[in-house]
Amino acid sequence: GENVEQHPSTLSVQEGDSAVIKCTYSDSASNYFPWYKQELGKRPQLIIDIRSNVGEKKDQRIAVTLNKTAKHFSLHITETQPEDSAVYFCAASWNEKLTFGTGTRLTIIP
Amino acid sequence: GAVVSQHPSRVICKSGTSVKIECRSLDFQATTMFWYRQFPKQSLMLMATSNEGSKATYEQGVEKDKFLINHASLTLSTLTVTSAHPEDSSFYICSARPPQGNYGYTFGSGTRLTVV
Repeated sequence: GENVEQHPSTLSVQEGDSAVIKCTYSDSASNYFPWYKQELGKRPQLIIDIRSNVGEKKDQRIAVTLNKTAKHFSLHITETQPEDSAVYFCAASWNEKLTFGTGTRLTIIP
Repeated sequence: GAVVSQHPSRVICKSGTSVKIECRSLDFQATTMFWYRQFPKQSLMLMATSNEGSKATYEQGVEKDKFLINHASLTLSTLTVTSAHPEDSSFYICSARPPQGNYGYTFGSGTRLTVV
C-alpha cells in the first residue's frame, strides 16, 4: 500500500516569512495529492491540491509543487500570518483511498 | 456544495456499550464513504471504505466485527463501535468524494468518542 512521509513534524516561522513542508510517497500509481489544514478538534480543511499531470499549482499565498520522478511534493506558504498556525497534513490518493502524512505543526511567531 | 454532516460531535459511553456514528452527504450522492480514526497528535488512519449496497472494505488490523459499517443509502453511512473499551476512545471522521471528476474529498466534522 501507499506510504507517505512528511517533514518536518514541527515548524516555527516568524510572521511574514515563508514556510515549506515536504512529503514523499511510495506508490507511483498515486495521482492526486491534497493538502489539509486541521485546527484542534476540527475537521481537516482542504487548502490546495494537485493532480499528477501538473507540476505546480498556486492559490494566493499557497503553492504546491510535485515531482513525480522523485515522488515528492511540497507545500509553500508565503507571507505567513498568525491564522496560518495549525497542523498541516499532506496526502496521496490512489484507487480512491487517501493516505495521510504524519502531519506538521506550524506555529507562526508574531 | 459538497457538505458532509456527521453526528454526534461528542459522545461519552460506558465500557461494553455500543455507539453509532452517522455520516451524511447533504448535497450529493456518495456511493463510497471513508471512515478514519485519529488519536491525539497523530495522523488520520483509514479504517474502512463504506460501499453503498455492499459490504465495507476494512484496512488491515481493523476488526470488522467491532467496527460495524452500514451504507444503506447513497447519502448515509453509519459506523457502530461495538462493545467499546477505553482504548477505542478517539476522534472518528468520515469522508466522501463528490462525483463528476471532482477529486476533492470532503470531511465530516468528526466525532469525539470517550469510553469510560
